[in-house]
Amino acid sequence: EAQVTQNPRYLITVTGKKLTVTCSQNMNHEYMSWYRQDPGLGLRQIYYSMNVEVTDKGDVPEGYKVSRKEKRNFPLILESPSPNQTSLYFCASRLQGNNQPQHFGDGTRLSIL
Amino acid sequence: AQSVTQLDSHVSVSEGTPVLLRCNYSSSYSPSLFWYVQHPNKGLQLLLKYTSAATLVKGINGFEAEFKKSETSFHLTKPSAHMSDAAEYFCVVSDWNRDDKIIFGKGTRLHILP
Repeated sequence: EAQVTQNPRYLITVTGKKLTVTCSQNMNHEYMSWYRQDPGLGLRQIYYSMNVEVTDKGDVPEGYKVSRKEKRNFPLILESPSPNQTSLYFCASRLQGNNQPQHFGDGTRLSIL
Repeated sequence: AQSVTQLDSHVSVSEGTPVLLRCNYSSSYSPSLFWYVQHPNKGLQLLLKYTSAATLVKGINGFEAEFKKSETSFHLTKPSAHMSDAAEYFCVVSDWNRDDKIIFGKGTRLHILP
């Protein structure tokens, strides 16, 4: 089954403790992206990747890191999480081309205390 | 610059009545436009997309949307609402010449009244 898989789905942690949210897709998509969703703000893009070893900042990259060493994986790293990063996070992937729809994971709810 | 505005943050309709969710966009070139639906505790699912073919686009679950360039609108409609349509809906725009830039509207929550 074609899918985007995020882990963990839920995480409660404390300020300053490094964490990684994994994202994997099995559709051989070139483009992958991370978003955060906050009430009243819709989805905002954190980072995206056009292909392996190619990443770029989205609209809200501060406090986040990403890497794209393999085509299928695009982990999101919070080196020193803070409470303002408490949010619902989505990973998405698609084929190259702006007319291609994105496929979304089921989301990761992060709570930073 | 690209932008997308969903004109209503909440819409309530009775079951069996028509649904209209409004979306206006701003784009410098020929945009691709999408509607996604998000059910509780789920990721976003594609409803339909417009990519410069037919202006009336049919999607899943009986939804459709019409691209109106003169009005810069891409409103989502459904003739008869079902309880299972209760969800949040997002209008999304991207430009053909800016492969990386995708803009999401802030979402419209659809409530279905019994």
